Amino acid sequence: GESVGLHLPTLSVQEGDNSIINCAYSNSASDYFIWYKQESGKGPQFIIDIRSNMDKRQGQRVTVLLNKTVKHLSLQIAATQPGDSAVYFCAEPNFGNEKLTFGTGTRLTIIP
Amino acid sequence: DTGVSQDPRHKITKRGQNVTFRCDPISEHNRLYWYRQTLGQGPEFLTYFQNEAQLEKSRLLSDRFSAERPKGSFSTLEIQRTEQGDSAMYLCASSLTPGGANTGELFFGEGSRLTVL
Repeated sequence: GESVGLHLPTLSVQEGDNSIINCAYSNSASDYFIWYKQESGKGPQFIIDIRSNMDKRQGQRVTVLLNKTVKHLSLQIAATQPGDSAVYFCAEPNFGNEKLTFGTGTRLTIIP
Repeated sequence: DTGVSQDPRHKITKRGQNVTFRCDPISEHNRLYWYRQTLGQGPEFLTYFQNEAQLEKSRLLSDRFSAERPKGSFSTLEIQRTEQGDSAMYLCASSLTPGGANTGELFFGEGSRLTVL
């Protein structure tokens, strides 16, 4: 079946450095992707989304890049802070936009 | 706090017992979703409602699982005859879809953690 997944289960970054979290997807017809952040003991929180008619989208300290040729997207976090420590999921809608399929997540640890 | 609230936050039960979780969505949100999350995995979609109508339930894990949203506001997720494999975090989320537009922005609660002994 179709799937979306992340490359690395864990990532450690020095505070203040930039981090890049990667995600691959298998369905070439996918046209919408979302990144979520989940802190320990909390539910996932929406960060940013991107549609397939875009290659790049920027938010506050975050940038998502979409490469449709290789079916890959990434989340870049600039000037990481301790509060960025969390598990990050990429997700895409399946069976209609209501039903998100999440990847397995990357745990980002910010080293003080 | 006007976010999504779930109750109870933790539930420990013995195998074979029934459990019920409640979710109160953000008040103006018309869509409500249930997801399950096991350790080290991303959330897994179970079912969703638009107002009081349950529009998708084929992903419910078995006929032991049922969900309701009787008045289009709060929702309950019931698991009958619990098994150890049901141990997981059950997440509720809500969203507002004005004009039929869909986005991936769901507002999640903090979840109800179920432990089946």
